[in-house]
Amino acid sequence: AQTVTQSQPEMSVQEAETVTLSCTYDTSESDYYLFWYKQPPSRQMILVIRQEAYKQQNATENRFSVNFQKAAKSFSLKISDSQLGDAAMYFCAYRSAGGGADGLTFGKGTHLIIQP
Amino acid sequence: GAGVSQSPSNKVTEKGKDVELRCDPISGHTALYWYRQSLGQGLEFLIYFQGNSAPDKSGLPSDRFSAERTGGSVSTLTIQRTQQEDSAVYLCASSLGLANYNEQFFGPGTRLTVL
Repeated sequence: AQTVTQSQPEMSVQEAETVTLSCTYDTSESDYYLFWYKQPPSRQMILVIRQEAYKQQNATENRFSVNFQKAAKSFSLKISDSQLGDAAMYFCAYRSAGGGADGLTFGKGTHLIIQP
Repeated sequence: GAGVSQSPSNKVTEKGKDVELRCDPISGHTALYWYRQSLGQGLEFLIYFQGNSAPDKSGLPSDRFSAERTGGSVSTLTIQRTQQEDSAVYLCASSLGLANYNEQFFGPGTRLTVL
């Protein structure tokens, strides 16, 4: 079974600064997908960024980028120019690319606080 | 267009009662997923549907939990004889299909409190 570990229960950053959220995972599969989801107090999970394991290039979405290290099984999220609206719980998630439909396997989450 | 909707938003019930949680996926999405989010266990995957079929129910926490989907659209998650440990937020998600690269779109969840 796959596991996802987020070792930072809470992170705090000053507005406009850069912050990096850590995520490691364990799997014996070679092909899979990794995701970062944001969950604001409204509870609705929002996809922030997605990475296909077979792609070496790190995914980027505006101010959000990832550092994907496949050999180290590490998938960190970098948020540049942090904004107050970025405050939320962030969850790292894994999904197999193999046959059969599985749900997402989530980490425990990191609570991101933005200091004005 | 409309996103995934769930009802009720909050549900308080007494131990031993049955509850039904509803999920209305995005129109045209054939795949539907249920997750549970609790303080102790984090986010757990419960079950998925492709159309009206749920091939694997092994993720459901106990036989008190059941789920169905009708017309390839609305799904209900039923918990019978609720227990305090069932208290959690129940999230529903839908996607265009089961292909694993498809983005799952989540609803706002139902917060269930069992007294």
